[in-house]
Amino acid sequence: NAGVTQTPKFRILKIGQSMTLQCTQDMNHNYMYWYRQDPGMGLKLIYYSVGAGITDKGEVPNGYNVSRSTTEDFPLRLELAAPSQTSVYFCASSRGGKETQYFGPGTRLLVL
Amino acid sequence: DQQVKQNSPSLSVQEGRISILNCDYTNSMFDYFLWYKKYPAEGPTFLISISSIKDKNEDGRFTVFLNKSAKHLSLHIVPSQPGDSAVYFCAASALPGNQFYFGTGTSLTVIP
Repeated sequence: NAGVTQTPKFRILKIGQSMTLQCTQDMNHNYMYWYRQDPGMGLKLIYYSVGAGITDKGEVPNGYNVSRSTTEDFPLRLELAAPSQTSVYFCASSRGGKETQYFGPGTRLLVL
Repeated sequence: DQQVKQNSPSLSVQEGRISILNCDYTNSMFDYFLWYKKYPAEGPTFLISISSIKDKNEDGRFTVFLNKSAKHLSLHIVPSQPGDSAVYFCAASALPGNQFYFGTGTSLTVIP
């Protein structure tokens, strides 16, 4: 049981490039989340999903897109990378909306 | 606007003593609160939760207190151990939403 896995661990992007951050969970959780954590700040919710085919915006969705075609996977897409997107990105999953969230190890992204 | 605030960025405590981490919130609709612990280069891990119908919840060395009138919660760790050294985040959620709002974290150092 691997829990929540994220790839890559670290990536450097040039301004304007695009990339997809991968997130997979093997706990059969319905809910999945993407957060970003900037230095000295708390986690901010980017997008979340309550089940396959259903996604919704969080606090800071601009510049990102998500899809949820399966229960297990919840990729996060950056279309035109900007320096403001330099951050650590965490994916999480939970059984329900008020349940404990289990986090992946994070992806550190640097946009130059 | 930060709805969940942790005003102490850091805290140092001697091993064996009590650690008290504080968290304040502004949204009176928050009804569920959690504490997460985070080690460097890892994702946050769930520690303890409390619902707004309670004012205290205990789990081993960890106790969370909720004061709804003051919009304040605190995490007590007794006795503190060096392995407790980590960043602690509080998070809050309001019905009917599925979003959790995180504080900025408090870095706890337990000195042997």
